[in-house]
Amino acid sequence: DIQMTQSPSSLSASVGDRVTITCQASQDISNFLNWYQQKPGKAPKLLIYDASILETGVPSRFSGTGSGTDFTFTISSLQPEDTATYYCQQFDNLPRTFGPGTKVDIK
Amino acid sequence: QVQLQESGPGLVKTSQTLSLTCTVSGDSINSGGYYWSWIRQHPGKGLEWIGYVYYSGSTYYNPSLKSRVTMSVDTSKNQFSLKLSSVTAADTAVYYCAREAGHGEWGSWGQGTLVTVSS
Repeated sequence: DIQMTQSPSSLSASVGDRVTITCQASQDISNFLNWYQQKPGKAPKLLIYDASILETGVPSRFSGTGSGTDFTFTISSLQPEDTATYYCQQFDNLPRTFGPGTKVDIK
Repeated sequence: QVQLQESGPGLVKTSQTLSLTCTVSGDSINSGGYYWSWIRQHPGKGLEWIGYVYYSGSTYYNPSLKSRVTMSVDTSKNQFSLKLSSVTAADTAVYYCAREAGHGEWGSWGQGTLVTVSS
């Protein structure tokens, strides 16, 4: 299985801050990586697919970059409604695997 | 817009079989092009992919659960199902059904259903 790691595991930032989360795969997955946002009690929501393509309707303050084994997810200007846990997920291989998540809250 | 809805018992006894159904509306499972997936989340934990079923009935299961998982599809009812046998407390989780599209992404999810395993 491809192992996914994320850092940090949690962060606290102020409204308007730039927030960056990193995701690393245990082997080369090209750009076969997606990012999700999950709020408490809700299903995950797809934000970015293919490492950098913004899902329709997702605010442009969210972005993703990377390929191979190292990926970055950025919120350019943190908003109160961005409080959530963020997960990366690889689809290069089966089984599909997720990172452990990064919990983001407002300072 | 496609919608998915899980249904099934919220409480299952230890060693029994967990059975869930996902009803799809706004899209036909028969149309192909998507993989119909089950994903679970243990309380306060991360996400675990269980597996998927295609409209043809072909399946792929996570090796970590493969010996206990069966997935099937009923195209006449536009539903797909999950069975997990010999459950223990470690199978207590929120179970989601979701539609996997061409970029390996799950853009559509059910709301999730909590299944508790207890003796």
